[in-house]
Amino acid sequence: QKEVEQDPGPLSVPEGAIVSLNCTYSNSAFQYFMWYRQYSRKGPELLMYTYSSGNKEDGRFTAQVDKSSKYISLFIRDSQPSDSATYLCAMTSGNQFYFGTGTSLTVIP
Amino acid sequence: NAGVMQNPRHLVRRRGQEARLRCSPMKGHSHVYWYRQLPEEGLKFMVYLQKENIIDESGMPKERFSAEFPKEGPSILRIQQVVRGDSAAYFCASSPVGDTDTQYFGPGTRLTVL
Repeated sequence: QKEVEQDPGPLSVPEGAIVSLNCTYSNSAFQYFMWYRQYSRKGPELLMYTYSSGNKEDGRFTAQVDKSSKYISLFIRDSQPSDSATYLCAMTSGNQFYFGTGTSLTVIP
Repeated sequence: NAGVMQNPRHLVRRRGQEARLRCSPMKGHSHVYWYRQLPEEGLKFMVYLQKENIIDESGMPKERFSAEFPKEGPSILRIQQVVRGDSAAYFCASSPVGDTDTQYFGPGTRLTVL
């Protein structure tokens, strides 16, 4: 079983839609949870970072962590074509970061 | 404040040659991480370094791969005697002292082995 599971998609939504991206994990020792956005042929860019169960909001983005279910989500409200990218979840325990495989999102104008 | 810098951005090598990938962390960052990303796969951790120290190299292949982060200058990921399977995007990330829970990534080096 992989440490982190993420549906690769691809996911295609119309502009203005609410997008839900999810990851599950198996290691209960993970303490910090992150979402990265990666545009084609670019490096990942940190979007959100949280360490506790619950919700964290930043503009159109909301990160949600449920440690009891080992499940994290990223919601994007009012999605824009510029949100089209691959979204990677990541989590850490100690020195190592574990990444999901990424979900490819396309927002259609 | 410049971000993480990597060079070269693209590197082409023939089988058996050596590849040297360089990473300069963000200003004030003393922790460097190297990852490999293959098509359709996630980022795979390779090695974690601080200045002059390898902290965790559990993700590094045992042969042909080495990494260093000298007191002066960039971090170097070295791949000796490259094979076609080494073709991938290699990303470097850095984090500041006291906040190793967030990492900031460079643009990556795309290695192609012919």
